[in-house]
This record gives sequence, C-alpha cells and structure tokens, in this order.
Amino acid sequence: EVQVLESGGGLVQPGGSLRLSCAASGFTFSNYGMSWVRQTPGKGLEWVSVITHSGAITYYVDSVKGRFTISRDNSKNTVYLQMNSLRADDTAVYYCAKHRGGNSGLDYWGQGTQVTVSS
Amino acid sequence: DIQMTQSPSTLSASVGDRVTITCRASQTIVTWLAWYQQKPGKAPKLLIYKASSLESGVPSRFSGSGSGTEFTLTISSLQPDDVATYYCQKYNKYPYTFGQGTKLEIK
Repeated sequence: EVQVLESGGGLVQPGGSLRLSCAASGFTFSNYGMSWVRQTPGKGLEWVSVITHSGAITYYVDSVKGRFTISRDNSKNTVYLQMNSLRADDTAVYYCAKHRGGNSGLDYWGQGTQVTVSS
Repeated sequence: DIQMTQSPSTLSASVGDRVTITCRASQTIVTWLAWYQQKPGKAPKLLIYKASSLESGVPSRFSGSGSGTEFTLTISSLQPDDVATYYCQKYNKYPYTFGQGTKLEIK
C-alpha cells in the first residue's frame, strides 16, 4: 500500500525556518518525482515545488524561490522542504504528493502538515 | 505563466443531475490536465489525468474531456458522496498551477 506521511510542521516566527519531511513507502521511491503543494485556510491549492526522481532537477513557484529548497534522500525514501525567511503568507497546510509517472498528475497525497508563521 | 480559471466557483445540483465543471487555460496545454476532488479536512484525490483518463478506482460517473485551452469534468449522475471541491491542474510545464476550485453542493 502506498503511503505518504508529512511531518515537521509547527508554529514559527516571521523570518524563521522550518524543515518539512515526507516519508514514502509502498512504491519504488527513486522512480518517481515528488511535489509539495500548500493550501491556505479556506482557500485553494498552490503548487509549491517539485523534485525529479533522481533529485537532479527542481522547480519552485515564484513566491518561494530563493527561500525554499526541496531535496530528497532516495536511501531513506524521504523528500524534504527547507523553508527559510518564512512570512505570514506562507501559513498553510503543506501536502507532499507523489507524481503518477509518465507526467500525469499527483496520485498519492499525504494528509498534510500545518505550518503557521506568526509572532 | 499559464493561468487556470474554473467555472463556476460554486455549484448546487440535485442528486441524479448531470454536472459539468469547466477549466480554461490562458494558453494551450494540449491534454496535460488533471482533475482532483477534495473533501473537507482531507487531501485531494486524483480523479482524471491527461484530460480524459480515469484514475483507477474512480467511479465511472466521472469523466473528463477537452484539449488545448478548454476542459470539462462531468459527473453523469450526481451522488451525495460527490459533495466536495474540485480542482483542475495543468502540468505541461512548471509551475503546475491549479484552478481556484469549484465547490459542489447538493440542493
């Protein structure tokens, strides 16, 4: 059974840092890209970042470029999101999601981890 | 960047109705489009990929169509369990932008 489990969320002050982790199981992790998607309270979904299966290529939404870094450790079946210089508008539930393969959407999602940026 | 616009924002329909949600892209995305269903407090669930391919395990009352810049998600006979917010997402190139969502309610 495929499972994706995020951790590392919490309350952080503006300007602070947080590292999210996403542990995956039930599939050959090193064969699939992974994305982070966030959702602000009562609002829609925003795709944040992607990392390809090998980790060689990463992309970010403009609003987090230069502040967030995505990485993965295929030996640990884990993807990370390092978030620096956090702002109030980064407050959201952060989801980790597996790419379906063949460039066809996100087929397995975690339950999300809450990140709150507030003083 | 390509923008994705869904309509309507909210939709109220009766059980058994045929329901259609539209997603428009500001530039062509060929068929690189997915649809997701999200219920309150839950993670999104993939329904449709490549504009019209039904994800495994998804009821056949869901279908997707379209190409280029205009796409539709259709529920052939609305069921109470379909109450949710539906999102389209383009993935032809980064960023993988979502539409703003369509909230579906039962009359």
